[in-house]
Amino acid sequence: KAGVTQTPRYLIKTRGQQVTLSCSPISGHRSVSWYQQTPGQGLQFLFEYFSETQRNKGNFPGRFSGRQFSNSRSEMNVSTLELGDSALYLCASSFIARDTEAFFGQGTRLTVV
Amino acid sequence: AQKVTQAQTEISVVEKEDVTLDCVYETRDTTYYLFWYKQPPSGELVFLIRRNSFDEQNEISGRYSWNFQKSTSSFNFTITASQVVDSAVYFCALRSGGSNYKLTFGKGTLLTVNP
Repeated sequence: KAGVTQTPRYLIKTRGQQVTLSCSPISGHRSVSWYQQTPGQGLQFLFEYFSETQRNKGNFPGRFSGRQFSNSRSEMNVSTLELGDSALYLCASSFIARDTEAFFGQGTRLTVV
Repeated sequence: AQKVTQAQTEISVVEKEDVTLDCVYETRDTTYYLFWYKQPPSGELVFLIRRNSFDEQNEISGRYSWNFQKSTSSFNFTITASQVVDSAVYFCALRSGGSNYKLTFGKGTLLTVNP
């Protein structure tokens, strides 16, 4: 059974550009959530999608957005990149049931120069 | 608001030593879930255990064991007879019992097991 797949694994962008990251969840999982990991702030929740709807959003500026497709694949977009957006972006998928764990992908390492 | 505190930033042990990673949480929810994840250098968060708030039974899985105590809001993780392969960053996380899936993570503990 394939795990959570995130693409690309590494990305280098210039300040002011925008970027799109992709996440394919485990087959059958309909909940996809995104996290940003930085040395200073640790792991922070960005947002969660379920059935193409954003159910929950973390405390991030509007430059961070996402969406989910009918096949549960999700994308997150960051516009007008800033140096501080350099981070490891992790995607997690889970079943819809409450009593369950989330499985994470290997992440996308974004570097903004 | 939910909060998870991992007071130990770094721990260094010698192989075969036992080591305990501490986790203290705060939540107003009566139903919640606690997790431990391991993050090796590759970056992926590897799920280790989930514990429900209504199940305080401790668990042992091989060299790993977990001690959940609601009275002290703690969910500690012990590795017995540590091995070099246990070296990683370990995260404790908390999720509310609602339908939304949002994990609140601690800052993590970097465990280094030296040969």
